[in-house]
Amino acid sequence: DAGVIQSPRHEVTEMGQEVTLRCKPISGHNSLFWYRQTMMRGLELLIYFNNNVPIDDSGMPEDRFSAKMPNASFSTLKIQPSEPRDSAVYFCASSLDRGGGEQYFGPGTRLTVT
Amino acid sequence: GENVEQHPSTLSVQEGDSAVIKCTYSDSASNYFPWYKQELGKRPQLIIDIRSNVGEKKDQRIAVTLNKTAKHFSLHITETQPEDSAVYFCAASLSGNTPLVFGKGTRLSVIA
Repeated sequence: DAGVIQSPRHEVTEMGQEVTLRCKPISGHNSLFWYRQTMMRGLELLIYFNNNVPIDDSGMPEDRFSAKMPNASFSTLKIQPSEPRDSAVYFCASSLDRGGGEQYFGPGTRLTVT
Repeated sequence: GENVEQHPSTLSVQEGDSAVIKCTYSDSASNYFPWYKQELGKRPQLIIDIRSNVGEKKDQRIAVTLNKTAKHFSLHITETQPEDSAVYFCAASLSGNTPLVFGKGTRLSVIA
């Protein structure tokens, strides 16, 4: 069974460009989380979806960030325009409401904005 | 909102010794406390978790304890091995499928 899949694994872009990160949750999972990891701030939640509906986007830093989940097997996180301070590792995680609800992380996308 | 404090930030132990990492949380409504291990350049991996109706849980060399009254929980690793070297994160949430609030991490080094 494939785990959480993220693409791209690495992204290098110039300031001002649009960046789109993609996530495919574990099949059957109905909650999806986007986290960001930096040295300064550690691991922090950006947004989470339950049954494809955004539930909490209080962690989205500003209007330059947007996220969508058009169906149960796909989510995107978009940054437009990107800035150097957006450089970080972006993780997607998924979980299933039933049972324990443990969250499993994808491999992450390392974003570098120059 | 929830705030999770974790210490120590770095920990070095001799191979075979035990390691203990401690976390405190602020929101008494939190009921789920997972621990993740993250190796360099890799994803956080869930290694053990505990829920508020349990005081202690063990899985081979790893154990976690929870004190809800004091709002703290701890990770214990016995008979440490070099492959235990990594950054360990504690987290807290209302339940397993709600957002996690993470501690800042503990870098564990096991010296052979």
